Amino acid sequence: AQKVTQAQTEISVVEKEDVTLDCVYETRDTTYYLFWYKQPPSGELVFLIRRNSFDEQNEISGRYSWNFQKSTSSFNFTITASQVVDSAVYFCALSGDDRGSTLGRLYFGRGTQLTVWP
Amino acid sequence: DVKVTQSSRYLVKRTGEKVFLECVQDMDHENMFWYRQDPGLGLRLIYFSYDVKMKEKGDIPEGYSVSREKKERFSLILESASTNQTSMYLCASSPEGPSTDTQYFGPGTRLTVL
Repeated sequence: AQKVTQAQTEISVVEKEDVTLDCVYETRDTTYYLFWYKQPPSGELVFLIRRNSFDEQNEISGRYSWNFQKSTSSFNFTITASQVVDSAVYFCALSGDDRGSTLGRLYFGRGTQLTVWP
Repeated sequence: DVKVTQSSRYLVKRTGEKVFLECVQDMDHENMFWYRQDPGLGLRLIYFSYDVKMKEKGDIPEGYSVSREKKERFSLILESASTNQTSMYLCASSPEGPSTDTQYFGPGTRLTVL
C-alpha cells in the first residue's frame, strides 16, 4: 500500500530564512510519481511539481527546489529566502493504486503548516 | 488553465438534512474526486469517478453517495447530514493519459452541520 509521511506538523521561520519540508514515502511500485501541493489560506490546493520515480535529478524553480532520493524514499522540498506569501499548508503526495486500477489515485501526507513571519 | 469550481465556499446545514455539494470542471477531464480535509488528518478520499455514471469508493465512503450524470459535473451527496461530517470538502479532476495522476483542485466547501 502507498503511504506518505510528513513528520513536521508545523514549521515557523522568519522571512528570508531557508526552510526544508520533509516527505518520506512507502511503495512497492517500481513506477510512481511524487507530488507537492500548496494550500494557502484561501483553501485551494495548488499543484507545484510532479516527479517521475526514474528521474532523481534535483529540480529548481525560482526559490523552490526539490531533492528526490530513492535510496531514502524521500522527496524533500526547500524554499530559499522564504517570504510571508509562502505561508501555507504543504502536502506531499504519491501516485499509484494498489488495487490495479489504471486511475491515477493520489495518496497524501497529512501536510506541514508553514508560517513565515515578517 | 484548468478550472474546477465548487457550488459554495461555505455551507451551514442542520443534522438530518440532505446536502448536495456540486463540482464542475471545464477541462474535459475524465476523472473526478471528492476528498474531505480535517485538521491533522490530511486529505481523505471519499469517492472518485473515471467516467460518466461510473463511481468507485475511496477510503471513507460511509455516509456519502455521489452522482456523475455529465462528464463535467460530479456531485457529493450527504443523505442525512451528521455533525461528524462537518469538514472541508475538496473536489479535484484529472485527465486520462500520461498525466492522469495530476489532480487539479477546486477552492473547497467548508460545511458545518449543526
